[in-house]
Amino acid sequence: AAGVIQSPRHLIKEKRETATLKCYPIPRHDTVYWYQQGPGQDPQFLISFYEKMQSDKGSIPDRFSAQQFSDYHSELNMSSLELGDSALYFCASSLNGARGYEQYFGPGTRLTVT
Amino acid sequence: GEDVEQSLFLSVREGDSSVINCTYTDSSSTYLYWYKQEPGAGLQLLTYIFSNMDMKQDQRLTVLLNKKDKHLSLRIADTQTGDSAIYFCADPGGSQGNLIFGKGTKLSVKP
Repeated sequence: AAGVIQSPRHLIKEKRETATLKCYPIPRHDTVYWYQQGPGQDPQFLISFYEKMQSDKGSIPDRFSAQQFSDYHSELNMSSLELGDSALYFCASSLNGARGYEQYFGPGTRLTVT
Repeated sequence: GEDVEQSLFLSVREGDSSVINCTYTDSSSTYLYWYKQEPGAGLQLLTYIFSNMDMKQDQRLTVLLNKKDKHLSLRIADTQTGDSAIYFCADPGGSQGNLIFGKGTKLSVKP
């Protein structure tokens, strides 16, 4: 079965640079979520989209923005990167309303800021 | 706000049962989930339970839900070394279903 695809899998950036992370949800899933997981931490919700509209916002810094496109893929744009942004970034997708919000996660993008 | 709590570590011997516990504060969740994360890997949805159920069994996995005490547990029967991972309890407490995770329980299985 098709899974959530994330690219790139690994990314190394320097402080103050920008980064773009991409997420391709499971086909027919209409909702995308972004989470950030710091080393040894639990995943923290950043932002979500339903049918290409932002649906909820969590602890996402103002330096970050995201959108969902007409083909349902999503991109997380990160600017003025800081050392503390080094983390695993997960995208998850779900079919809204199916078993609550049963979310399937991608493999993650490991971002290292030096 | 909503909160999910778990004990951080559990060590068992291969073949024993493992029980991972979780408490949550949001009483309105329709479903509660268990995710598994192996080192350096993504989050794998293991199982879920609907809020009007007390128990759900899925092969070696048994989920117990005590709504009165807001307590959730995951039992893994005949634990194998391949079960070594971090297990997260998750509550879709966000307004649009975003998951609130516990800190994760690191399960170590000794041969």
